[in-house]
Amino acid sequence: AQRVTQPEKLLSVFKGAPVELKCNYSYSGSPELFWYVQYSRQRLQLLLRHISRESIKGFTADLNKGETSFHLKKPFAQEEDSAMYYCALSKNYGGSQGNLIFGKGTKLSVKP
Amino acid sequence: GAGVSQSPRYKVAKRGQDVALRCDPISGHVSLFWYQQALGQGPEFLTYFQNEAQLDKSGLPSDRFFAERPEGSVSTLKIQRTQQEDSAVYLCASSLRQLTEAFFGQGTRLTVV
Repeated sequence: AQRVTQPEKLLSVFKGAPVELKCNYSYSGSPELFWYVQYSRQRLQLLLRHISRESIKGFTADLNKGETSFHLKKPFAQEEDSAMYYCALSKNYGGSQGNLIFGKGTKLSVKP
Repeated sequence: GAGVSQSPRYKVAKRGQDVALRCDPISGHVSLFWYQQALGQGPEFLTYFQNEAQLDKSGLPSDRFFAERPEGSVSTLKIQRTQQEDSAVYLCASSLRQLTEAFFGQGTRLTVV
């Protein structure tokens, strides 16, 4: 079965500290993976996708097929990074980004 | 419009009441998705439209849930005979076409009492 697991409900770090939000997936094929972010009182928005291999707001994520992981990392957390982060898997190979399976989310809190 | 618009933002329904939730996608977006997000959970896929065609409704939890997009633009999610377990935030998303970024609306928070 296709599944996305985010083991941490809450992650609290101090400003300037490194942060890693964990995501593991289960998928019987070649996955397309994404990270979405939801800031307080804002809508869910795409942060980055694995196929783009890009860095957005200092965040990066590398797909590790051997460990079936797609952890989100940032070397120096900022207070404005505080938000809810969701890892998501595209339901069908080559499918639209909208047709997604989401994890339960991790709330990141960056303290001053 | 500036983005995906959903209405109402909040809805309180008595158990057994029918409700209709509206989604206005970004103009020109072909693909439209509905998700249900229960408290403390991630969004769960309900259904997908490409233009007016409903291509996937595998996530609809029961036959009380019905979605339509008759002209390939605005979509309505209808829930008949609401039950307490239907309480959730209902999210709509649209994308220009397949394989492009999906943009989410603010959601409708439905509370069934």
